[in-house]
Amino acid sequence: SQTIHQWPATLVQPVGSPLSLECTVEGTSNPNLYWYRQAAGRGLQLLFYSVGIGQISSEVPQNLSASRPQDRQFILSSKKLLLSDSGFYLCAWSGREGGQYFGPGTRLTVT
Amino acid sequence: EDQVTQSPEALRLQEGESSSLNCSYTVSGLRGLFWYRQDPGKGPEFLFTLYSAGEEKEKERLKATLTKKESFLHITAPKPEDSATYLCAVQAYTGGFKTIFGAGTRLFVKA
Repeated sequence: SQTIHQWPATLVQPVGSPLSLECTVEGTSNPNLYWYRQAAGRGLQLLFYSVGIGQISSEVPQNLSASRPQDRQFILSSKKLLLSDSGFYLCAWSGREGGQYFGPGTRLTVT
Repeated sequence: EDQVTQSPEALRLQEGESSSLNCSYTVSGLRGLFWYRQDPGKGPEFLFTLYSAGEEKEKERLKATLTKKESFLHITAPKPEDSATYLCAVQAYTGGFKTIFGAGTRLFVKA
């Protein structure tokens, strides 16, 4: 069966510090991968998606970037965090029916 | 512009009191409509995919239906464990694999 991992689970970072969040998927090959951010009490905002290694589509211009160095690995990065980057970050992969399967999420607080 | 609107924002039910959640959408060429359940502090859990008007899907006390403009998630005889936020999302053929989420409906079921 397929599983998706995200780490870390929680993170507190000062403004201006770098960020690296990692997501890995097991049990499937060549998945579509997604990064979302969810602000408190709000819906999911799509940040990036990838249909293959090295193929990244950005949906929202900002100081975040994404990379897919391996088939089942997706990384979200920032060189300098802003206060507005605080939120709940979710990684997902999409299955045959088109529905997406989400990881447990990373709670990021920028102070 | 593709949009997804969910109503009501919050719904409070007594155990056993059936009701429906609404998801209205505007999209140029619907690839699929998805329903998810999200518990506090966790990633969304995939429930259903609907592809065309008239389609219905069921899972335990939940039934999802689709028309050309909206989808309903019917909850029959809910239990307290059904309390969660229910999210609706759409994918359009013209958007690649971009998925647009609604803000969700928070459901509270009281014993």
